[in-house]
Amino acid sequence: QSVLTQPPSVSGAPGQRVTISCTGSSSNIGAGYDVHWYQQLPGTAPKLLIYGNNYRPSGVPDRFSGSKSGTSASLAISGLQAEDEADYYCQAYDNSLNGVIFGGGTKVTVL
Amino acid sequence: QITLKESGPTLVKPTQTLTLTCTFSGFSLSASGVGVGWIRQPPGQALEWLALIYWDDDKRYSPSLKSRLTITKDTSKNQVVLTMTNMDPVDTATYYCAHRPSSSFDSWGQGTLVTVSS
Repeated sequence: QSVLTQPPSVSGAPGQRVTISCTGSSSNIGAGYDVHWYQQLPGTAPKLLIYGNNYRPSGVPDRFSGSKSGTSASLAISGLQAEDEADYYCQAYDNSLNGVIFGGGTKVTVL
Repeated sequence: QITLKESGPTLVKPTQTLTLTCTFSGFSLSASGVGVGWIRQPPGQALEWLALIYWDDDKRYSPSLKSRLTITKDTSKNQVVLTMTNMDPVDTATYYCAHRPSSSFDSWGQGTLVTVSS
């Protein structure tokens, strides 16, 4: 069981907007640590999608956005496209575990 | 351009020690603030952080695996080595190394699948 909780799956039709939640606690997200998001396409290594809660690395479409509030964070994908079908993971730091933590991952399906 | 590549055995027997090497280019592990981490992913499962090593040789380990892990660096060779003792079939996974310039992992290796079986 992951320290950061994500829904196992979300789905949406092309063009729709979907959101993925990442729920933590007072020792990680709630303590002010940044949340990062990764996209993992089938059979490939994870790729940094959002860093520092809401910043996009160069080359990441602005359809992807991140936010953080309290002990939770969210990733939003607007204008959903078939190529967005992938697993998405949130990541932060936990000061009680004194280490890096990942969410359990969310599979996004484009209907 | 930052690149990382993992290397090591694809098959290990139970109780054996696994040694994986991460060879990287495009950054220096002697630069202030820089780190390299190891993350694994069992087939069909989530990512799990294993260990981190920083430019100043500070090392961090997953609490649940700390007793089995050792991470070292060779700055001159641009390599980071992870050893994991007492391997078990549940350790079967793809093992990734990744560059950590701050608190995120911004570049990842392709990963190497390690199977633990007799």
